[in-house]
Parts: sequence; C-alpha cells; structure tokens
Amino acid sequence: ETGVTQSPTHLIKTRGQQVTLRCSSQSGHNTVSWYQQALGQGPQFIFQYYREEENGRGNFPPRFSGLQFPNYSSELNVNALELDDSALYLCASSLGSPGRVETQYFGPGTRLLVL
Amino acid sequence: GESVGLHLPTLSVQEGDNSIINCAYSNSASDYFIWYKQESGKGPQFIIDIRSNMDKRQGQRVTVLLNKTVKHLSLQIAATQPGDSAVYFCAAQKGGGNKLTFGTGTQLKVEL
Repeated sequence: ETGVTQSPTHLIKTRGQQVTLRCSSQSGHNTVSWYQQALGQGPQFIFQYYREEENGRGNFPPRFSGLQFPNYSSELNVNALELDDSALYLCASSLGSPGRVETQYFGPGTRLLVL
Repeated sequence: GESVGLHLPTLSVQEGDNSIINCAYSNSASDYFIWYKQESGKGPQFIIDIRSNMDKRQGQRVTVLLNKTVKHLSLQIAATQPGDSAVYFCAAQKGGGNKLTFGTGTQLKVEL
C-alpha cells in the first residue's frame, strides 16, 4: 500500500454535471499529481500541485481544475461533464522540490462514469 | 513532446520462466524512468526506477535496463509467478519536470 487514498471509489454522473474527487497524500509528501486513465490506455497527466500552487498542466481544458490544501490533500474538479470524461482518475503523491524528480506513488483511483 | 510506447500489448509466459517487457521513448531529454505494475481495479504500483546516469538497476526479481543511445528500456522479471500477472507500464520524466508520460501498457499473462 502506498498510503495514498482517494474518494469516492466509484461515481456515476450525467452529462453536464460537476464532480469533485478527493485525494489524501502519503504522509510527508508535498506534491500531488492527477492523471486520467481511459480504458485500455496509460494514465494521462492532468496537472500537478506543489505546496498549494499549480505546478504544470497537461493538455486538458480549463473545466478541469484542482486545489491543494495546507495538509497537502487535494481535489480534482470537473465541470460540464462530457461522456468522454468517463475514466479512472488517479492521484499520485511525491516529495517534491523545484528541479528535482521524485518517485510518484499512486492511489487506487476513482472510477467515474458519465451517462 | 514525449511519447512512450511498449513493443507488445500482450506477453504470455510460463510460470517460472523469465519475462522481458520492452519500452521505447522519444524525448532524449527524459532522464528518469519508472516501471509500474497495475492489477485490475487498482492504481499503478511502483516496481523499479532508473535515472539516466545508470544503464542497469536491480531489485528483487526485477531488473531494468536503459539504453540511451536507442532510447529503449526493458523490464526483466525473473522466475515469473502467477502474482506477476498484470498490466505493466513504463513512464518517462524529464529532469526538473513534473509529469510522467506513460506508454500504453503490456498485459503480462502467466500460464501455469
């Protein structure tokens, strides 16, 4: 177990709705990254937060937004859900510092289904 | 940008045999590489990593080889066991960067 937890485990929404997914980092980790994994594909980077600030973003529209809290837990918010947003959403925590690469440890994911 | 690809979508091996999973990456600026194992319904699990200043790293029953000349890395699993059945992803990261770029994964099936 990595110590990274996510909630909820599964979620069903309808098109146009909004969703909030949550992640609790491994103890001592200050960086959290979010990934989207479509069925049969590798995870795709959405964005990363380091000490409560966004620290890089992948090729996702602005309706994907996030937050990181002082305790380093994090939220991923998706507005105006589309059918193609159906995927496994993964968060990964790491102990980051500027310019230094550290191993990312993943949580179990939240399976989102958009109908 | 970076692209990472695995050579085979599926690999079947007999229990006890050695497994080799191969991966290619495109960005020569990538200098950190990780192999993850993902079982059905779970998140990716860290297996082993290697930085670009090395060409080989060994763990328990696993070895990662990195060939920077041809931008290729491989994961070797010794004495493959049924519990090794999963999808294996390689991922690459650029130094000082923040995102991992994943390949599409290789499904490893261990036959008894």
